[in-house]
Amino acid sequence: GPKVLQIPSHQIIDMGQMVTLNCDPVSNHLYFYWYKQILGQQMEFLVNFYNGKVMEKSKLFKDQFSVERPDGSYFTLKIQPTALEDSAVYFCASSPGGNNQAPLFGEGTRLSVL
Amino acid sequence: GEKVEQHESTLSVREGDSAVINCTYTDTASSYFPWYKQEAGKSLHFVIDIRSNVDRKQSQRLIVLLDKKAKRFSLHITATQPEDSAIYFCAAHSNYQLIWGSGTKLIIKP
Repeated sequence: GPKVLQIPSHQIIDMGQMVTLNCDPVSNHLYFYWYKQILGQQMEFLVNFYNGKVMEKSKLFKDQFSVERPDGSYFTLKIQPTALEDSAVYFCASSPGGNNQAPLFGEGTRLSVL
Repeated sequence: GEKVEQHESTLSVREGDSAVINCTYTDTASSYFPWYKQEAGKSLHFVIDIRSNVDRKQSQRLIVLLDKKAKRFSLHITATQPEDSAIYFCAAHSNYQLIWGSGTKLIIKP
């Protein structure tokens, strides 16, 4: 079936560096999401994105975070600069529509900030 | 902001018995409620959903009930099997995003 791919699966960086997490959503999906999960705890919504724009973002989506999907390529989450508390698993998800449709999740990128 | 509360943080049942996980939500306008399963170290996988135009939905051993008046919905897993062991998350759609419960760790005892 369709899959959301996330690259890389694990990223280790030093605090203060920039990191870009890449997501290849399902090809006909229009809505894209980033979530953050620490140690198997609750999924925390970061941001959703539609038609080239951020639709909604949470308070966890700090000024150091940005998202984009240039020319239908990867949907990316950039963190610049990173902080220790950014260490978590970041899940990308996509859905065909915004309401009443369950997003399909990628396998996640484990980010370790040292 | 809007919230979803998942009442059982851990639930342990004997193999073959039923498991029930309960969630409540605050946004009266929520109309879509998916459930996801997360096995250890893995991603979330959609298992079943319910929309507010119905109060019950079944898919094989999974049943979802929705009580709009009480703003409560629940996942029932019948005839549990070892492979049902996982963390289950409920969610409610509210303003372009899903509001998530905190997860229930389901343990199936032999």
